[in-house]
Amino acid sequence: GAVVSQHPSRVICKSGTSVKIECRSLDFQATTMFWYRQFPKKSLMLMATSNEGSKATYEQGVEKDKFLINHASLTLSTLTVTSAHPEDSSFYICSTLGGPGGTQYFGPGTRLLVL
Amino acid sequence: QQQVKQSPQSLIVQKGGIPIINCAYENTAFDYFPWYQQFPGKGPALLIAIRPDVSEKKEGRFTISFNKSAKQFSLHIMDSQPGDSATYFCAASSGTASKLTFGTGTRLQVTL
Repeated sequence: GAVVSQHPSRVICKSGTSVKIECRSLDFQATTMFWYRQFPKKSLMLMATSNEGSKATYEQGVEKDKFLINHASLTLSTLTVTSAHPEDSSFYICSTLGGPGGTQYFGPGTRLLVL
Repeated sequence: QQQVKQSPQSLIVQKGGIPIINCAYENTAFDYFPWYQQFPGKGPALLIAIRPDVSEKKEGRFTISFNKSAKQFSLHIMDSQPGDSATYFCAASSGTASKLTFGTGTRLQVTL
């Protein structure tokens, strides 16, 4: 399968600060990446679809100004949680589209804790 | 219509048993059905996937059974091991290039 990395794996920040999470496709060029959010013991919730060189497409109910997505290259997409609040604490996971079988491969996730 | 319903929510089996996880969908446009395995604190990993043109697919100890008319598919884990203890998610999409709709997940525990 494809290799996807995320950085950082874990981050703790104060309320009101912004946090950037990186998602990298290490072994193929990904024109499309997805960002998910997962609460404890819950399923994955798609937040947005990130397309290289164009604006991200956000799912209904997801604030685009709160969750800024940039897909500046074929191997990197970033998610910035702006003015983070405790309710933004969650597990954020990216996936890339493409690679073997053309299916989605997921990164290891980033645990965000906002104090 | 976009939902994928998954059951059971949790499952405990003894080592060597065959846990079965079931999923049902409504959207007839779905034509790609992957299963993912997730360990605590990790991202989901693709286990096996099936398309509606076949009724069964096996990869190692994992088997997907697919019933197109009933719009249901299931995952069977043969000779389950304690290392299989994880959360399993079914998913569905219209083509591999489309966004996935995930089931609610099944927490599997395999005991000795």
